[in-house]
Amino acid sequence: EIVLTQTPLSLSVTPGQPAFIPCKSSQSLLRTSDGKTYLYWYLQKPGQSPQLLMYEVSNRFDGVPDRFSGSGTGTEFTLNISRVEAEDVGVYYCMQSLQLPYTFGQGTKLEIK
Amino acid sequence: QVQLQESGPGLVKASETLSLICTVSGAFRSKDYWSWIRLSPGKAPEWIGYVYNSGTTTYNPSLKSRVSISLDTSKNQISLEVKSVTAADTAVYYCARNLGVWGQGTLVTVSS
Repeated sequence: EIVLTQTPLSLSVTPGQPAFIPCKSSQSLLRTSDGKTYLYWYLQKPGQSPQLLMYEVSNRFDGVPDRFSGSGTGTEFTLNISRVEAEDVGVYYCMQSLQLPYTFGQGTKLEIK
Repeated sequence: QVQLQESGPGLVKASETLSLICTVSGAFRSKDYWSWIRLSPGKAPEWIGYVYNSGTTTYNPSLKSRVSISLDTSKNQISLEVKSVTAADTAVYYCARNLGVWGQGTLVTVSS
């Protein structure tokens, strides 16, 4: 199965500053037949269920603020937050849906300084 | 806006069967698929499996022998059963539509 590695496990950022959350895959998440890369990003805010932020690396889901963006190719990906706000605290998970079973990273916890 | 709500017993005895229901408010679209995912403290989320509106199912091999997911479109419900549970099955269980919209989750604790 595909293993997703997220380090660091926690990140502390000053409000208004950028944040970069990495995710590394044990194999390429590119499906050559359709040219799409099957990497998702979720945020689980405290006391809430996970919410989808990005799909296929860089597509924002409905209602996601444009300060969030996704980048990367192949096996290395990054969720970028251009200016962190207090409401962005929580655990960020990457997930792959290229190959069964779908798998998630361990998560990176974002805290505000 | 579709909404999903998981329900079921919060406490299940070891070796018994865990049964949960996900009730969907909103229409089932032909290309939708419905996943179950669980989160345990300190562990990466685990995808359990999914069912398409056609009824076709796919399961995580790590759970395949113990898991069953089914769909009742007349009731707008998706069911999950996990047989022979152990403490390792203690988790918050979520249903999700197309991996995009998730329910609020329901905590299931397995007791000995």
